[in-house]
Amino acid sequence: EIVLTQSPATLSLSPGERATLSCRASQSVSNYLAWYQQKPGQAPRLLIYDASNRATGIPARFSGSGSGTDFSLTISSLEPEDFAVYYCHQRHNGPETFGQGTKVEVK
Amino acid sequence: QVQLQESGPGLVKPSETLSLTCTVSGGSINNYYWSWFRQPPGKELEWIGWIYSSGTTNYNPSLKSRVTISVDTSKDQYSLKLTSVTAADTAVYHCARYFSAGGNRHYLDVWGNGATVTVSS
Repeated sequence: EIVLTQSPATLSLSPGERATLSCRASQSVSNYLAWYQQKPGQAPRLLIYDASNRATGIPARFSGSGSGTDFSLTISSLEPEDFAVYYCHQRHNGPETFGQGTKVEVK
Repeated sequence: QVQLQESGPGLVKPSETLSLTCTVSGGSINNYYWSWFRQPPGKELEWIGWIYSSGTTNYNPSLKSRVTISVDTSKDQYSLKLTSVTAADTAVYHCARYFSAGGNRHYLDVWGNGATVTVSS
């Protein structure tokens, strides 16, 4: 099973600041990686797929990069609605797995 | 706009079977892959298994011996059964749809809001 490790666990930032989240895979997942946003009591929302493609309706301030084992999600300028938990997700090999999440909170 | 809604008992006794149904509205269940996930309190999401509209399934090896996912295309519904539950199966259970990004790559673009299931006597 591929383990996805996200860092940091919590990111404390102010609106308008840049957020950079990391996801590291225990073995290569090529570019078969997605990022999801989840707010309390809500379903996850697809942000990025194939490591760098924005999903339909996702604002341009969200961007993804990486391949192989190291990936990142960047939010260029945090809006109030961006404070949430973010998960990475792989389906490349074996059972699909998620990272443990990064919480982006208001500083 | 496709929407998913989970339904089923919120409380299940230990050793019994957890049963949930996901109803697809605003679109057809045909020609898509559909999945079940769960999220125990304070933990990350865990994939349970998926089913294609034709009935083909694939399960997480860690749960395979206890899981059955089935589909009823006439009702645009698919279901999850998890047998011999314990407190460790307490979680929010989500159903979700995969979309094809090309080739064999599929990602989850529509999710249900989740159903909380507690295992307790």
